[in-house]
Amino acid sequence: AQTVTQSQPEMSVQEAETVTLSCTYDTSENNYYLFWYKQPPSRQMILVIRQEAYKQQNATENRFSVNFQKAAKSFSLKISDSQLGDTAMYFCAFMKPLGSGTYKYIFGTGTRLKVLA
Amino acid sequence: SAVISQKPSRDICQRGTSLTIQCQVDSQVTMMFWYRQQPGQSLTLIATANQGSEATYESGFVIDKFPISRPNLTFSTLTVSNMSPEDSSIYLCSVGGGDTQYFGPGTRLTVL
Repeated sequence: AQTVTQSQPEMSVQEAETVTLSCTYDTSENNYYLFWYKQPPSRQMILVIRQEAYKQQNATENRFSVNFQKAAKSFSLKISDSQLGDTAMYFCAFMKPLGSGTYKYIFGTGTRLKVLA
Repeated sequence: SAVISQKPSRDICQRGTSLTIQCQVDSQVTMMFWYRQQPGQSLTLIATANQGSEATYESGFVIDKFPISRPNLTFSTLTVSNMSPEDSSIYLCSVGGGDTQYFGPGTRLTVL
């Protein structure tokens, strides 16, 4: 069975600095996707970034980038130039296609990030 | 992307009653998911609802407690039946599309 582990329950970072959130996962699958979702205090879950396992190049979205280490089953999120609006709960998620357009998602326990002014 | 709305956004209910949560999507989707998120916790999948078929429930969740309807490709409901304080949680609807999952704003349920 697949598992997703986020070992940092809480983190804080000074505004404008860089922070890295860790995520490891366990799977025997070769075809899968990894995601980072952000859940601000308003609670709407927002997709931050997505990585296809077959792609070696690390995904990047503006200030957000990942370090995807497939062999190590590691998928960390780096936030550069942190902003107060980045304060949120961050969830790492694993997705496995089941075929016929269906999927299964597994979420980590989350890391609560606080950006300090 | 998909825009998802949920009703109600929050409710306070009495023990033993039932609440039906509605999820509306602005486009047709094959898969809809219902999650529970207890305070400060991660998301736990309750069930997957595909249009035209019975919902598939995860371990620990049963249809009698969480009946789901999926009458068309843009709408689903989740009912929390015979509620107890342990059902107090945020219930999230989400849809899968293009290998990405999008979430509704959630329904915050408090059971007294």
